[in-house]
Amino acid sequence: DVKVTQSSRYLVKRTGEKVFLECVQDMDHENMFWYRQDPGLGLRLIYFSYDVKMKEKGDIPEGYSVSREKKERFSLILESASTNQTSMYLCASSRFGDSDEQYFGPGTRLTVT
Amino acid sequence: RKEVEQDPGPFNVPEGATVAFNCTYSNSASQSFFWYRQDCRKEPKLLMSVYSSGNEDGRFTAQLNRASQYISLLIRDSKLSDSATYLCAVNGVGNTPLVFGKGTRLSVIA
Repeated sequence: DVKVTQSSRYLVKRTGEKVFLECVQDMDHENMFWYRQDPGLGLRLIYFSYDVKMKEKGDIPEGYSVSREKKERFSLILESASTNQTSMYLCASSRFGDSDEQYFGPGTRLTVT
Repeated sequence: RKEVEQDPGPFNVPEGATVAFNCTYSNSASQSFFWYRQDCRKEPKLLMSVYSSGNEDGRFTAQLNRASQYISLLIRDSKLSDSATYLCAVNGVGNTPLVFGKGTRLSVIA
């Protein structure tokens, strides 16, 4: 069974803080993804990675950065959190290629005050 | 045109009803198609892949119509527990990840 875990289910941070969201998968998947999900806007891709130390911008990378130092771990960084980054953040992984099904972690609900 | 489109709903159906959702996609070269289920405040979970010849899993049937570029999900004998949002996903253009629809919300009513 694929398992994707995220470091926190709920997080409250202040404007301007640096925020780290961690994601770990245990199925030796090549690909990892970070999304945010907001009501009415669906899943929006922030960044993705098809290999260790590789990263690609998704549809909404502004205000975010990522790190993938190990195959199983993909971190999302908010350099200076802002209130418009309050959202549900979902990490996902897939085996390889751009066509494989993705498996999601439980999500982190981030509130920036 | 958006890459993947779904009717947002909500679809409100009585228990036991049959309900169908469609999802249209714009990339005629797409080869991989999926349906996900997302419960309120939870992560999306893979429901089923969609194969060219169509496929069934219990009360759920998925079909692909390449000519009209849409996939469908049919749920027979709806249960209260089927209430959720159903998202479709289609592989993107070039080496880009899956593209997700915004989801269709289903409420099954007793």
